[in-house]
Amino acid sequence: QTVVTQEPSFSVSPGGTVTLTCGLSSGSVSTSNYPSWYQQSPGQAPRTLIYSSNTRSSGVPDRFSGSILGNKAALTITGAQADDESDYYCVLYVGSGIWVFGGGTKLTVL
Amino acid sequence: EVQLLESGGGLVQPGGSLRLSCVVSGFTFSSYVMGWVRQAPGKGLEWVSAISDSDAGTHYADSVKGRFTISRDNSKNTLYLQMNSLRAEDTAVYYCANSRPGSGFWGHWGQGTLVTVSS
Repeated sequence: QTVVTQEPSFSVSPGGTVTLTCGLSSGSVSTSNYPSWYQQSPGQAPRTLIYSSNTRSSGVPDRFSGSILGNKAALTITGAQADDESDYYCVLYVGSGIWVFGGGTKLTVL
Repeated sequence: EVQLLESGGGLVQPGGSLRLSCVVSGFTFSSYVMGWVRQAPGKGLEWVSAISDSDAGTHYADSVKGRFTISRDNSKNTLYLQMNSLRAEDTAVYYCANSRPGSGFWGHWGQGTLVTVSS
């Protein structure tokens, strides 16, 4: 069974930079996993931030960026703002029409 | 404007059935992969199922395989999820989402519909 791993929680100071990661239990994350990232505030539907590893979705501020760092996908927030405090999820396509979400990272801005 | 609107959630007893619907507008429904993602109370997102745009190939998470059936009616711009043999652990908000074929990501999401499985 494929497991996608994320840090359960992270903290960043306002104006600071934070990198969240997304790993794969069965090996390295690659572009063929089409890593994508979603932001979710309490009681809201997820919002698509990043797709295909590093492409920002329409309307997403450029302080959000995606990449593959080593064997993981990564979401970097540069110049964090108070309203970036949310849950962040990655999802990986693992083949055969199957997607697997990570457990999510709760980001605190303080 | 892209819109996805789920309906059909509610309270159902364990072992019961429910059918969710997702009516969409603002994009060419028949050209998109569609899927369902759920979120149990206080928990993370879980991909549930997807259906392809053209040949309607279907795929399921192991947790629902054999119990849930995804389908679509392109003439009605509607996605369905038939849920049978429901269990307490199926309690969640169910979101529908779309994906451009080959893109690998879920682009637009509905607001979700709550399914509660309880006696």
